[in-house]
Amino acid sequence: QVQLQESGPGLVKPSETLSLTCTVSGGSISNYYWSWIRQPPGKGLEWIGYIYYSGYTNYNPSLKSRVTISVDTSKNQFSLKLTSVTAADTAVYYCARLDDSKVDAFDIWGQGTMVTVSS
Amino acid sequence: DIQMTQSPSSLSASVGDRVTITCRASQSISSYLNWYQQRPGKAPKLLIYAASNLQSGVPSRFSGSVSGTAFTLTISNLQPEDFAAYYCQQTYSSPRTFGQGTKVEIK
Repeated sequence: QVQLQESGPGLVKPSETLSLTCTVSGGSISNYYWSWIRQPPGKGLEWIGYIYYSGYTNYNPSLKSRVTISVDTSKNQFSLKLTSVTAADTAVYYCARLDDSKVDAFDIWGQGTMVTVSS
Repeated sequence: DIQMTQSPSSLSASVGDRVTITCRASQSISSYLNWYQQRPGKAPKLLIYAASNLQSGVPSRFSGSVSGTAFTLTISNLQPEDFAAYYCQQTYSSPRTFGQGTKVEIK
């Protein structure tokens, strides 16, 4: 079955760029939308944005000026870059598959990766 | 942005109880509403999509319904593994937004 795995640095300095990759295994990245969601410690879920395998993107306006999501179909991966990070960006970051046959629900999630912004 | 308001924020219940969680949207979202369960330290898991459709593999004690802009998640015969946080999410428009969550705790 399809599985997702996030990878990237667990510690990022303030003002630098957070970079994460999600590797899709057990299935193709094609024909689906793929998303990033984050969760600050002890808080709720925030949608960051999504990308179609073709490269079409849609971002949360609250983060749009700092976010880039990209896809590499040859590696079955998609990535997140978040620039100019602050302590408010400290969170668990999840990648997830969006199923447009299920009103765009996130039906498969990665285990999540904790990213701390600190000097 | 569409605001999603869950109630209650937390509740205490016993094994075997029937539990109801409500999620209200700030405007009409048709049936573009999903429910997720999140156990401590784990990723969220899709339970219900399109307001009332049970995700494959999810026990039938979970059900969802809608009345106008009010959505309900019901857990009948609460089991020990159901003690978790539950989130609603609208996918009617961007940005996709979640409710603040409801924590179901053991009484």
